[in-house]
Amino acid sequence: DQQVKQNSPSLSVQEGRISILNCDYTNSMFDYFLWYKKYPAEGPTFLISISSIKDKNEDGRFTVFLNKSAKHLSLHIVPSQPGDSAVYFCAWGGTSYGKLTFGQGTILTVHP
Amino acid sequence: NAGVMQNPRHLVRRRGQEARLRCSPMKGHSHVYWYRQLPEEGLKFMVYLQKENIIDESGMPKERFSAEFPKEGPSILRIQQVVRGDSAAYFCASSPTGAGEQFFGPGTRLTVL
Repeated sequence: DQQVKQNSPSLSVQEGRISILNCDYTNSMFDYFLWYKKYPAEGPTFLISISSIKDKNEDGRFTVFLNKSAKHLSLHIVPSQPGDSAVYFCAWGGTSYGKLTFGQGTILTVHP
Repeated sequence: NAGVMQNPRHLVRRRGQEARLRCSPMKGHSHVYWYRQLPEEGLKFMVYLQKENIIDESGMPKERFSAEFPKEGPSILRIQQVVRGDSAAYFCASSPTGAGEQFFGPGTRLTVL
């Protein structure tokens, strides 16, 4: 079974600087990964995804990088804003019907 | 277009009671997923349903938990004889195609006393 791990429980960044959130996975076979952002007492909100045929995907301030040899992906947020403070989850969507396997999440705090 | 709706948002039950959680997917979405988030953990898949069919319930506890998605009306996650360990946030997500991005509801926070 695919395992998705976010080994950093928390990250603190100054406003305007870069936030880098990391995610490791175990199974080389996958279709796509997604990043979700979650505020307290709300459901996760989709941010950005990357498919197995790409190394990078960019959307505004958000860029996801995929390193297949290292089985590692990262989400870069530049520049970071206080409103980005939330829990960030990476998720693997590798089954034929889209069931998601989530990492444990990383709490991002952006200080003004 | 309204998003995924879940109700109630908060539910308090005593041990042994039943909990019913409802989810109305986005308009046009026929694929529904339920996830559970225990305190300090990530979201864990429970069950995937299409209209009137359970496609994958591999994440559901073997006993006391059931789910349905009838032809008419919302999807229901039912927990019988709740125990304190069932206290969690339960999220529903929907998708138009069964692949790719899933749209999540705000969740139901179940507290078992």
